[in-house]
Amino acid sequence: NAGVTQTPKFRVLKTGQSMTLLCAQDMNHEYMYWYRQDPGMGLRLIHYSVGEGTTAKGEVPDGYNVSRLKKQNFLLGLESAAPSQTSVYFCASSGRTSEQFFGPGTRLTVL
Amino acid sequence: QQPVQSPQAVILREGEDAVINCSSSKALYSVHWYRQKHGEAPVFLMILLKGGEQKGHDKISASFNEKKQQSSLYLTASQLSYSGTYFCGTDPTNAGGTSYGKLTFGQGTILTVHP
Repeated sequence: NAGVTQTPKFRVLKTGQSMTLLCAQDMNHEYMYWYRQDPGMGLRLIHYSVGEGTTAKGEVPDGYNVSRLKKQNFLLGLESAAPSQTSVYFCASSGRTSEQFFGPGTRLTVL
Repeated sequence: QQPVQSPQAVILREGEDAVINCSSSKALYSVHWYRQKHGEAPVFLMILLKGGEQKGHDKISASFNEKKQQSSLYLTASQLSYSGTYFCGTDPTNAGGTSYGKLTFGQGTILTVHP
């Protein structure tokens, strides 16, 4: 039982490059989330999903896209990376009205 | 709008107690509490739901004042392992009365426990 896993763990991009972050959970959770965390700050919600095939915007969605084609996976895409997107990205999943389980994070640097 | 946590930092000796507060300007469905150690993912501590239900660890307690949209986390007889940054996450009430876990996190409270 791996919980929530994220791929990759680290990545360095140049401005304008694109990439996809993969989140997978094996707890059969309905809800999944993508957050970013900048130094000294709390987590901010980028996008979330309440079920397979559905996604919605969070607090800071600009510059990101998401997809949830399978219940266990939630993908976060950066189409044209910018230095302002340098951050640590956390994926989380939860059942209804329950705690969120976080993945180990992806540390992204955009040069 | 981001909930406000206080204090911003706390320094304790082992065995001492601490209270961390979280205040929101919105009506809340639930309040979550998480602890994050440096370089690691946040870990769940407690969830407090509108109506009084609570779920969480046995050794940690918390309160939720629905009328004031405030929550407090009580750490008693602190241990070295309690050190970390504590975040509250607030989930506002929506018109449909359902929750999707759309948390807005506070800026964090740094707790340091010394021997």
